[in-house]
Order: sequence, then structure tokens, then C-alpha cells
Amino acid sequence: QVQLQESGPGLVKPSETLSLICTVSGYSISSGSSWGWIRQAPGKGLEWIGSISHSGNTYYNPSLKSRVTISIDTSKNQFSLKLSSVTAADTAVYYCAREIEYSNSVTAFDIWGQGTMVIVSS
Amino acid sequence: DIQMTQSPSSLSASVGDRVSITCRASQSINIYLNWYQHKPGKAPKLLIYAASTLQSGVPSRFSGSGSGTDFTLTISSLQPEDFATYYCQPSYSIQLTFGGGTKVEIK
Repeated sequence: QVQLQESGPGLVKPSETLSLICTVSGYSISSGSSWGWIRQAPGKGLEWIGSISHSGNTYYNPSLKSRVTISIDTSKNQFSLKLSSVTAADTAVYYCAREIEYSNSVTAFDIWGQGTMVIVSS
Repeated sequence: DIQMTQSPSSLSASVGDRVSITCRASQSINIYLNWYQHKPGKAPKLLIYAASTLQSGVPSRFSGSGSGTDFTLTISSLQPEDFATYYCQPSYSIQLTFGGGTKVEIK
């Protein structure tokens, strides 16, 4: 079955760049769907960060757009997140997810990774 | 940007109760609305997409309705495993920002 797994440092210093990778198994990332990053800060709700299509088109949350880069590596069946100039407010559990298209542009995040906690602290 | 407003932000209910959660969009999003369930320490789970279509494997006690700007998630008979936080999320014009969430707690 399709599985997603986040990986990356659990601790990042303020002002540095947070980098995470999502490895997809059981599905070829280049065969279709889009791929997204979502986070949840402690005590807060879910926040969509951004997504990338299998062909590399990106779309980001306007509130984070200036600091976010999402890229895709079809050779490794992975996609990645970079968030620059982090502060304590970026401390969160970060999830990667598959954004499947059902029909007529109807999409949803149907499969999620288990999430990885990233703490921003010196 | 599309803003999603969920209400209530939390509710207390008993096993067997009928529960409804509403989500209002700041502009019409047709039927491009999804609902998710999230439990602490777990990955969120897709319940309903396209406002009213049940995701495969989701119990039939969950249902969704609405179109345009007003949507509702209903749990017909609350079960112990349903105590969680529920989020709506539009999938319209690459605007995917989640609603604020509704925490369903045990009364």
C-alpha cells in the first residue's frame, strides 16, 4: 500500500532553514497526484504549507510563501520542504501527504505520513 | 484568500448523540470541501471529500452536506472512537487552508 515517511532534523536553530524530506513507497510519485506539506504547532490547528504537482508546479500558503520552497525528486520518489528564516513559531509537527484528484478537480489529502516534530531553538 | 470558519470550536457530547459541525467559506467554493478527523499523536484521516462523498472505509455514521459557502459534517451516533478534532479544508483554486478545527469531547 502507499506509505509516506517524513525525515529530517528534529532541532533547528532560529534564523536557519528547516529541511524535511518525504519518502513515498508503494506509488510512483511521477505517475500522478500532487504532494503536500501540512503542519500543526503545539496547541494549534492544522496549517497547510504548500503543495507540488507530480510535474513540479508549486502552490503555497500565502502567509508562508516568502519562506517556503517545495521540490520533487522523481528519481528518489521523494519530495522535500525547505522553510527559511525559522523562528520559535515554526515549531510544529510536520506532515507530508498525498493530494489525490478524484475527478473534476476535486482533490483531497488522502494518505498522510505519521508526522515529524521539529523544534526551533538555540 | 479563502477563509474557513468552523463552529463550534469545541463541543461536549455523549456516546450515541447526533453531532453536527459547520464550516463556512468566505466565498463560494462549490462542493470543493473536505473533512478530516485528527486524533493526538496520529496522522489526520480523510473522512469526506467533495462535500458529501464518504472516503472508502469510513463508517456510514459520518455524512457531509452543503455547497457554495455553507457545509456541515454530521455524526449520526457518536462512538467512543469518534472523540477527536475535526477540520474542514477547501480544495478550490489551489486554496487549501484548513478551518480552525472543532474538538469533540466526552460529556
